[in-house]
Amino acid sequence: GAGVSQSPRYKVAKRGQDVALRCDPISGHVSLFWYQQALGQGPEFLTYFQNEAQLDKSGLPSDRFFAERPEGSVSTLKIQRTQQEDSAVYLCASSLGGQANTDTQYFGPGTRLTVL
Amino acid sequence: AQKVTQAQTEISVVEKEDVTLDCVYETRDTTYYLFWYKQPPSGELVFLIRRNSFDEQNEISGRYSWNFQKSTSSFNFTITASQVVDSAVYFCALSVLNGANNLFFGTGTRLTVIP
Repeated sequence: GAGVSQSPRYKVAKRGQDVALRCDPISGHVSLFWYQQALGQGPEFLTYFQNEAQLDKSGLPSDRFFAERPEGSVSTLKIQRTQQEDSAVYLCASSLGGQANTDTQYFGPGTRLTVL
Repeated sequence: AQKVTQAQTEISVVEKEDVTLDCVYETRDTTYYLFWYKQPPSGELVFLIRRNSFDEQNEISGRYSWNFQKSTSSFNFTITASQVVDSAVYFCALSVLNGANNLFFGTGTRLTVIP
């Protein structure tokens, strides 16, 4: 079946602009995660949803970052007033069950955000 | 706190050589899960394997094998008879049963297989 998809694949924003990144998880997957991957680093956790509920947002770096999953399927990560340090690849992952910390997570191709 | 260390930043091997990627983890939890992912140039993280802390049996899947040793907190990954298509960044990751709702990743090892 189809994997996790993300759009856009590439986004260039001027400093101060708002951006919205979309994630379509694998159909039927309960859990959805957002990670941020800086160049040459491993992914770092941003936030976690179980269905439509955002159960963990401890990794969001500032209040400029906001995520939602209103119908328990597609999710959007929004970054307001982008800064150069927001430049990174944003990865979305989904897993089948509600056991976020034990199920296998399947990742999308990521959105590469460049803030000029 | 959880931590994953991949000390090898970059490795280059000639095609058909065997190569081992090291992973050392730290956690105080007794129940945890270890993963390996492959990230090719396309950027997508591809799941390779998941092991739980109670299963120390080594595993082999084709040219891939994994050596899990709790005594040394290591979960090493060996590719036998490497191929050019194995060139990628490989990440080791850890999750714990009682705690954070996420994977903790190492910094990755970039493997280049030279034809």
